[in-house]
Amino acid sequence: EVQLVESGGGLVQPGGSRRLSCAASGFTFTNYAMSWVRQAPGEGLEWVSSISISGDTMDTYYADSVKGRFTISRDDSKNTLYLQMNSLRAGDTAVYYCARGGGTYEYAPWAWGQGTLVTVSS
Amino acid sequence: QSVLTQPPSASGTPGQRVTISCSGSSSNIGRNYVCWYQQLPGTAPKLLIFRNDQRPSGVPDRFSGSKSGTSASLAISGLRSEDEAEYYCAAWDERLSGYVVFGGGTKVTVL
Repeated sequence: EVQLVESGGGLVQPGGSRRLSCAASGFTFTNYAMSWVRQAPGEGLEWVSSISISGDTMDTYYADSVKGRFTISRDDSKNTLYLQMNSLRAGDTAVYYCARGGGTYEYAPWAWGQGTLVTVSS
Repeated sequence: QSVLTQPPSASGTPGQRVTISCSGSSSNIGRNYVCWYQQLPGTAPKLLIFRNDQRPSGVPDRFSGSKSGTSASLAISGLRSEDEAEYYCAAWDERLSGYVVFGGGTKVTVL
């Protein structure tokens, strides 16, 4: 069974940083593209970032709203996906979901974690 | 403003068929697979349809997906009370460096 378990959410002050982690199990982590998707309170789903499988070139993709502030990474030895979030703003307040793609090159989510809430407030 | 366009709401009585549309462009739906998700209140999204029209194991065959050109549709037949939820479509978009795009969501109400 595919399991994605996020951690690292919490209350952060504006301008602060936070690192989210996603522990993956139940599938061969190295074979799948991974993503982060967020959902602000009462709003729809917003894609944040995606990362390809590791290899000669590990490609990363970011929404314009987080480019330059967030960094996605993966540690295949630990089956873990990360999202480093810097210069956080009130508008970044959301539940952040870790998501597994459909395969090596399919980035749209096929499996989701339960989410972790990040609240940016003073 | 979402890249993929969905109606904000849809409704039907138990047993009816409800269809949700998802309109995109040649850079997303026109060239890539579409996924559909169901999100019940307070829970994470759940994959309903992948690769336009494929159902994961465990998803009832009352749910079906289709795609034509730059649009996709999700149909729910034999509507049940437990189908009341938010539904989202998604696809990869090849513009710029590439990104995942979502629809704004459709709230399905069972009358």
